[in-house]
Amino acid sequence: EAGVAQSPRYKIIEKRQSVAFWCNPISGHATLYWYQQILGQGPKLLIQFQNNGVVDDSQLPKDRFSAERLKGVDSTLKIQPAKLEDSAVYLCASSPGTQNTGELFFGEGSRLTVL
Amino acid sequence: KNQVEQSPQSLIILEGKNCTLQCNYTVSPFSNLRWYKQDTGRGPVSLTIMTFSENTKSNGRYTATLDADTKQSSLHITASQLSDSASYICEGGGGNKLTFGTGTQLKVEL
Repeated sequence: EAGVAQSPRYKIIEKRQSVAFWCNPISGHATLYWYQQILGQGPKLLIQFQNNGVVDDSQLPKDRFSAERLKGVDSTLKIQPAKLEDSAVYLCASSPGTQNTGELFFGEGSRLTVL
Repeated sequence: KNQVEQSPQSLIILEGKNCTLQCNYTVSPFSNLRWYKQDTGRGPVSLTIMTFSENTKSNGRYTATLDADTKQSSLHITASQLSDSASYICEGGGGNKLTFGTGTQLKVEL
């Protein structure tokens, strides 16, 4: 079974530039999450999708971050314009269930460095 | 506010020794607790999932315990190996919320 795919693995940009990350969840998984993980910290939820609807985006900085999940499958996370404090690993995860009770499968992450 | 606190922050042990990592959680509503292993530069991988009614769950050399009354969980690693060097993250879930701890950084040395 293929895992959660993310790209790019690494990205270096200057502040005020834009960046986009892509995630392809495990086939058939209803729930998709985007997390931000700053070095030395645990993952922080940015947005949770159930199929193609948003369940929770309360911690998404909506003035600069946006995300969409096309047709309930792939998802993209965009940052525009980037700030220095956005330097982090952006993790995508998917789960077969819809009630946060099942196993979460994480991708390898996209490491962003903002200079 | 939901919180998950882990201790110790970091730990160094010799290969072959056992160790126990701690997790205290304040999560409401609470339905399950997960432990993850995160190797450097990789995404977290699930080790165990326990519902609030379970007391213990094993996965090979990893054994997790859960005390829902005291809101504490532990992860015990038996006969450690060099490949166990990683960050171990505790996560409490309930409703639509998942709350992650900051992890315990474990290093296993020869």
